[in-house]
Amino acid sequence: SQKIEQNSEALNIQEGKTATLTCNYTNYSPAYLQWYRQDPGRGPVFLLLIRENEKEKRKERLKVTFDTTLKQSLFHITASQPADSATYLCALSGGYNKLIFGAGTRLAVHP
Amino acid sequence: NAGVTQTPKFRVLKTGQSMTLLCAQDMNHEYMYWYRQDPGMGLRLIHYSVGEGTTAKGEVPDGYNVSRLKKQNFLLGLESAAPSQTSVYFCASSYSMSSETQYFGPGTRLLVL
Repeated sequence: SQKIEQNSEALNIQEGKTATLTCNYTNYSPAYLQWYRQDPGRGPVFLLLIRENEKEKRKERLKVTFDTTLKQSLFHITASQPADSATYLCALSGGYNKLIFGAGTRLAVHP
Repeated sequence: NAGVTQTPKFRVLKTGQSMTLLCAQDMNHEYMYWYRQDPGMGLRLIHYSVGEGTTAKGEVPDGYNVSRLKKQNFLLGLESAAPSQTSVYFCASSYSMSSETQYFGPGTRLLVL
């Protein structure tokens, strides 16, 4: 069956450093992959989408890579700030615009 | 635009009671979805709709029913609530298959005793 894995442990980093979150998947060949941010008590908010034929996508301080050979996506936040503290969800396309979500990784950026 | 709204925000039910969760979107989106989110697990798709009058089962449809009588509304029903349905429920919508971004509502927290 399809499986998506994100680090279940929280990632703690110092303000100003680069945060790198990992999303691995198995038994799957998604057409695209998305990253969402979720704050406590709120719904997920879309951040970035990367397609299978794209290696890298950037948006301001965010960068996503997509390696279909390794079946892995990396999500980077450069010059991290305490306001970046949240849970970040990886989601893969599943047909009819359905998404399959990972459990998410909680990021804590400390001043 | 309000985006995606959900009613109610929080509800406590007793086992066996029924209820309906309402999702509304004002973005003229074709696709709508209902997810549940449990601790340590990713969002799991319950049911979805690709247009007014259509519905389809997702990954975990048992115990739930849905209706999409109007394009802007997507209702999730629990006919006989069970403690296993204690969860946070999120509704989402997207414009079409060509626009893959999903827009989420704020969620409904449901506790079944």
